[in-house]
Amino acid sequence: DQQVKQNSPSLSVQEGRISILNCDYTNSMFDYFLWYKKYPAEGPTFLISISSIKDKNEDGRFTVFLNKSAKHLSLHIVPSQPGDSAVYFCAAMGNAGNMLTFGGGTRLMVKP
Amino acid sequence: EPEVTQTPSHQVTQMGQEVILRCVPISNHLYFYWYRQILGQKVEFLVSFYNNEISEKSEIFDDQFSVERPDGSNFTLKIRSTKLEDSAMYFCASSEKLAGAYEQFFGPGTRLTVL
Repeated sequence: DQQVKQNSPSLSVQEGRISILNCDYTNSMFDYFLWYKKYPAEGPTFLISISSIKDKNEDGRFTVFLNKSAKHLSLHIVPSQPGDSAVYFCAAMGNAGNMLTFGGGTRLMVKP
Repeated sequence: EPEVTQTPSHQVTQMGQEVILRCVPISNHLYFYWYRQILGQKVEFLVSFYNNEISEKSEIFDDQFSVERPDGSNFTLKIRSTKLEDSAMYFCASSEKLAGAYEQFFGPGTRLTVL
């Protein structure tokens, strides 16, 4: 099941620079998207979300962009901090239910 | 800040035994969920629960699985006869409401090891 894909398993960024994490989906019934951050031995922590009626949502250092025609979303972190180092998951939800479909995750490493 | 809690943090069991994983969702939340993550794989949806009944379940959630809200605070996942392939991290989540606030908040997980 590859309805939500994160093609980059890892990303390394210098502190202070921008981190861009990407996510693609195939199911056109998805209409709500979320990003979660996960540290080892912890549960996913909600970061930011976006509805399909929007193309951008911003919360502090985190911005999510949605391109519906391309079925693509991205998470921008500016500026990146060492504490941002974690695995980031995108997840999608359809309008027919409330289950989340997760991508495989991208491990972000922010170097001091 | 309110959070979802789960017990135990680690459960080791023998194949064929029953296990019950426990969760306390955030107190004003109405929707409850179980997900699992097998080592090296994606987080997978198991089941959602609302108004004391299952609202949605995945193919993984077969007859060996059941969920219950035995009182006003706990939400449990029971696996009747565990298999080796049930070894995974099990995450409980809750959300405030379905429409308008879809964010699901996750607990720290229970690591289930089936020997």
